[in-house]
Amino acid sequence: DAKTTQPNSMESNEEEPVHLPCNHSTISGTDYIHWYRQLPSQGPEYVIHGLTSNVNNRMASLAIAEDRKSSTLILHRATLRDAAVYYCILSYTDKLIFGTGTRLQVFP
Amino acid sequence: KAGVTQTPRYLIKTRGQQVTLSCSPISGHRSVSWYQQTPGQGLQFLFEYFSETQRNKGNFPGRFSGRQFSNSRSEMNVSTLELGDSALYLCASSLLGQGKGSYEQYFGPGTRLTVT
Repeated sequence: DAKTTQPNSMESNEEEPVHLPCNHSTISGTDYIHWYRQLPSQGPEYVIHGLTSNVNNRMASLAIAEDRKSSTLILHRATLRDAAVYYCILSYTDKLIFGTGTRLQVFP
Repeated sequence: KAGVTQTPRYLIKTRGQQVTLSCSPISGHRSVSWYQQTPGQGLQFLFEYFSETQRNKGNFPGRFSGRQFSNSRSEMNVSTLELGDSALYLCASSLLGQGKGSYEQYFGPGTRLTVT
């Protein structure tokens, strides 16, 4: 299973944009890039996923590098509710292999 | 549309006993996956079922088993419980589960199992 590398933690102020990076240099052509987040005391929550092109949804944007060896999850305006652990996952099956993720702190 | 539901939400068992956890996927979802979350190991994949067949399996001992019914509901069973099995067990469902990683998964709130 392809591995991802994320910073352990990041901080942001409320209403500012947040860019969460993920490196996946060993990605294969069939790997989808998934982002999930886990709020305290809850199960993981789907955020966004993509294969090659940048993706947007109501929660976030996913920017994928041209060589696909890295990606960035963009939260356009952070809120206190966005404080969570964010996981970047590569998957070519329906098996999600979670790493340690990035703990995002949001300050008012 | 109702989300993924898991029962029970909390469970306390004694070492050596067995336990069965239940998961009802989102209506129309056919793929169900199970995960274990512990403070030490994080989130780990247990297994995935699609159309009543186990399609993927994680690296867990045979004491961990599961099954899926024709209505897509799933159960997982842990026999001969050990203290280290204390964890949050999460179930996730996916719409079609084509097996290519192309669909998002929706997680339930989990069952908190404590083994004493």
